[in-house]
Amino acid sequence: DTAVSQTPKYLVTQMGNDKSIKCEQNLGHDTMYWYKQDSKKFLKIMFSYNNKELIINETVPNRFSPKSPDKAHLNLHINSLELGDSAVYFCASSNRLFTDTQYFGPGTRLTVL
Amino acid sequence: DAKTTQPPSMDCAEGRAANLPCNHSTISGNEYVYWYRQIHSQGPQYIIHGLKNNETNEMASLIITEDRKSSTLILPHATLRDTAVYYCIVRVASYGGSQGNLIFGKGTKLSVKP
Repeated sequence: DTAVSQTPKYLVTQMGNDKSIKCEQNLGHDTMYWYKQDSKKFLKIMFSYNNKELIINETVPNRFSPKSPDKAHLNLHINSLELGDSAVYFCASSNRLFTDTQYFGPGTRLTVL
Repeated sequence: DAKTTQPPSMDCAEGRAANLPCNHSTISGNEYVYWYRQIHSQGPQYIIHGLKNNETNEMASLIITEDRKSSTLILPHATLRDTAVYYCIVRVASYGGSQGNLIFGKGTKLSVKP
């Protein structure tokens, strides 16, 4: 059983399109996160979210938005995709916001053409 | 920015202990030392964390110096599957808003060789 899962694993799309990446965790955690790993392999947090607050990294463009239908899911919506959005996106979850160990999903490789 | 310094790469012979150093000279009293690793094309994997005392689990041991300014992750019997990038991260031990973020640096690329 996969603890944190993401779909799709690969996503290839054209500039200007709108796309979504889905994330689900079956750990019963209260908090979920999205990270971006760029071509230089730096891993940076984009969002953290629990049922009380959303914390956004100030460097994330507002074309990116997290949507949480329930505690087990945090989907990432991206509008008007740009070439620079090409990266691997990782979802993670933890029991509490920031203080607990985070468990990561397998990643979604997004390629914008 | 990451508050840790790690060597960019290390080699280790299969079956031998891998000792990965990390410097965190500006660590605060309420900050833990966390270690994660990322095997190629996979998501980061939690390994171990500690505050002051040395810690051991089924994956590794963590040795923290008495002044807490540096630490060493020990993989006692490295295998080829331990080849990965290892990240040493310091983070607050209690909720402090975004201060509790995991801030990943460049890590150490460990290559385990047969």
